[in-house]
Amino acid sequence: AQSVTQLDSQVPVFEEAPVELRCNYSSSVSVYLFWYVQYPNQGLQLLLKYLSGSTLVKGINGFEAEFNKSQTSFHLRKPSVHISDTAEYFCAVTGSGYNKLIFGAGTRLAVHP
Amino acid sequence: DVKVTQSSRYLVKRTGEKVFLECVQDMDHENMFWYRQDPGLGLRLIYFSYDVKMKEKGDIPEGYSVSREKKERFSLILESASTNQTSMYLCASSFASGGAGNEQFFGPGTRLTVL
Repeated sequence: AQSVTQLDSQVPVFEEAPVELRCNYSSSVSVYLFWYVQYPNQGLQLLLKYLSGSTLVKGINGFEAEFNKSQTSFHLRKPSVHISDTAEYFCAVTGSGYNKLIFGAGTRLAVHP
Repeated sequence: DVKVTQSSRYLVKRTGEKVFLECVQDMDHENMFWYRQDPGLGLRLIYFSYDVKMKEKGDIPEGYSVSREKKERFSLILESASTNQTSMYLCASSFASGGAGNEQFFGPGTRLTVL
């Protein structure tokens, strides 16, 4: 069975500082990996995804993530955060041939001035 | 722009009531999903549908049913609401071709409170 662990439930950071949100997964099959963001009182929107190819994936709003198969990780990074990045971030995994996404518990990023 | 709309943003119901949550998408997506979102648990899949009148159970289907009579509309039904169904409910849709790598597009959510 597939599962996703987001290692931090909350990450406080100052504006313009770098940030890393950690995600580990377990799966017995080849995986597709996703990061979604949920701004307050909104639904989720896709930040980026890894399907195959280059292990460094660039997404919207300056975010990027690196797929590390040996460490079964897909950590999300941004070199300099803004107040507007305050949101909840979800890592998700699915196996090839599946329709279902398995989500992590979420990481609440709070950017302070 | 893809748009997924949900019939209510906030809903308050009493224990034992039958509750309908409606979701409509305008992008001709084959797949539609219902999730519930609870703090510390992330999103959990209740049901999904890959075609009209077709459905599959997700991870937590107990106490819920679904209906998909038209491609653009997917309804979640709580036959007899209970307090442990108080939650945020999110609908999503995606294309089927290309498989599991397709982006899911989410609605804004319905926050349901059962008293």
